Amino acid sequence: DTEVTQTPKHLVMGMTNKKSLKCEQHMGHRAMYWYKQKAKKPPELMFVYSYEKLSINESVPSRFSPECPNSSLLNLHLHALQPEDSALYLCASSQDPAGTEAFFGQGTRLTVV
Amino acid sequence: SQQGEEDPQALSIQEGENATMNCSYKTSINNLQWYRQNSGRGLVHLILIRSNEREKHSGRLRVTLDTSKKSSSLLITASRAADTASYFCATQAGTALIFGKGTTLSVSS
Repeated sequence: DTEVTQTPKHLVMGMTNKKSLKCEQHMGHRAMYWYKQKAKKPPELMFVYSYEKLSINESVPSRFSPECPNSSLLNLHLHALQPEDSALYLCASSQDPAGTEAFFGQGTRLTVV
Repeated sequence: SQQGEEDPQALSIQEGENATMNCSYKTSINNLQWYRQNSGRGLVHLILIRSNEREKHSGRLRVTLDTSKKSSSLLITASRAADTASYFCATQAGTALIFGKGTTLSVSS
C-alpha cells in the first residue's frame, strides 16, 4: 500500500465552525507533513511531524491545530477560519524525516464561507 | 517560506521536443527533489538527487545538481502530451521539504 489517504475530499465550512481534516498512511513512514496550496501557487509547508512529534511549525496561526495520534494518522483541526484560508490542504509522508521521497495524498479542497 | 525559484514560470512545447526547467535555491540542502502536479491535486514524486550527487537519470528524466551554484535542472526528453502538468523542485534541509514556485509545462500534439 503506497497511498496517503485524505478525508474529506471537499469541505465547506463557516467561519464559526470546527472541523478536522484527516490523513492516513500505512507505509510505516516516520515523517508526516501538512501543506497549504492556493491556486497557481506552490505548496506551503505548515507542519512537520517526525516520529510522531511536532518538529516544524511554520508560524501557522493557532486556528490551525495539528495532531498526530499515532504513526499512521495525522489530523488538522480547524477552528474560526477566515475566507482567505480557503485552499487545497495536502498531507504527505516520507519514510525518513531527513531525506527520502514524499508521498502525497490527493488533498482536501477547503472553502470557508 | 519558499526557497526554490524555478524558471521558466511557463513553458509551451510540441510533442517530441525536450523540456528543460531550472531551479535555484538559497541555503544548504540534504537533497533536492522534483515533483509533478496535475490539475491542482496531489503531487507525484519524480526524482531525488542528493547533495553529493551531480546527475541522475530516470527514464526520460535527467536531473543535474550544482551545489556551488545552488541550482538544479530537470530535463524531460521526447515530451508527450501527457507530460502537461506543473513541475516543482523541492529542497530538503533537516525535516523541512520546501517547494519552489514551479514551472507550468504545456505539451501540444
